[in-house]
Amino acid sequence: KQEVTQIPAALSVPEGENLVLNCSFTDSAIYNLQWFRQDPGKGLTSLLLIQSSQREQTSGRLNASLDKSSGRSTLYIAASQPGDSATYLCAVRGGSQGNLIFGKGTKLSVKP
Amino acid sequence: DTGVSQNPRHKITKRGQNVTFRCDPISEHNRLYWYRQTLGQGPEFLTYFQNEAQLEKSRLLSDRFSAERPKGSFSTLEIQRTEQGDSAMYLCASSQQGAGGYTFGSGTRLTVV
Repeated sequence: KQEVTQIPAALSVPEGENLVLNCSFTDSAIYNLQWFRQDPGKGLTSLLLIQSSQREQTSGRLNASLDKSSGRSTLYIAASQPGDSATYLCAVRGGSQGNLIFGKGTKLSVKP
Repeated sequence: DTGVSQNPRHKITKRGQNVTFRCDPISEHNRLYWYRQTLGQGPEFLTYFQNEAQLEKSRLLSDRFSAERPKGSFSTLEIQRTEQGDSAMYLCASSQQGAGGYTFGSGTRLTVV
């Protein structure tokens, strides 16, 4: 059974810092991995999608990497801003017919 | 296209009542998913449809829960005889068959009192 773990559970940084959020998964046979952002009481916003054959994806100040063999992904946020404060969720898909399995998220707070 | 739409945004109901939620997916997406999220947890899979066929149901989906997707367009999730433990955010997502990612709606927050 696939399990997804996100470390740390919470993170507080001053504005302007670069930071890394970690995601690990127990079954390396994944189809793709997706990072989401969730604001309090809201739905999920997709940030980056990495296919199993890819090593990384970039969007603006965000960069996500994938090391399938070791069961790890990282989300790198450059030059953090208070508007980046949210919960970041990692989710893996086990196959073309599979559904997304989520971690519990990392709650990020960026202090001005 | 306005993305995935969920209604209502919030629902407060008394224990024992039935509730129904609606999800309108992105029109060209043939897959539709329902998830449930409680405070401090990641979303948990409930069920999914490919077109009008319900292909998978989680063990979380007790027999008080039923989902439909008539004509392969919008979907409804009904909870009968609600319990306080049903209080959660119910999230709907859609995707196109293949390697695409999921797009989520804003969710329906259910509170059972």
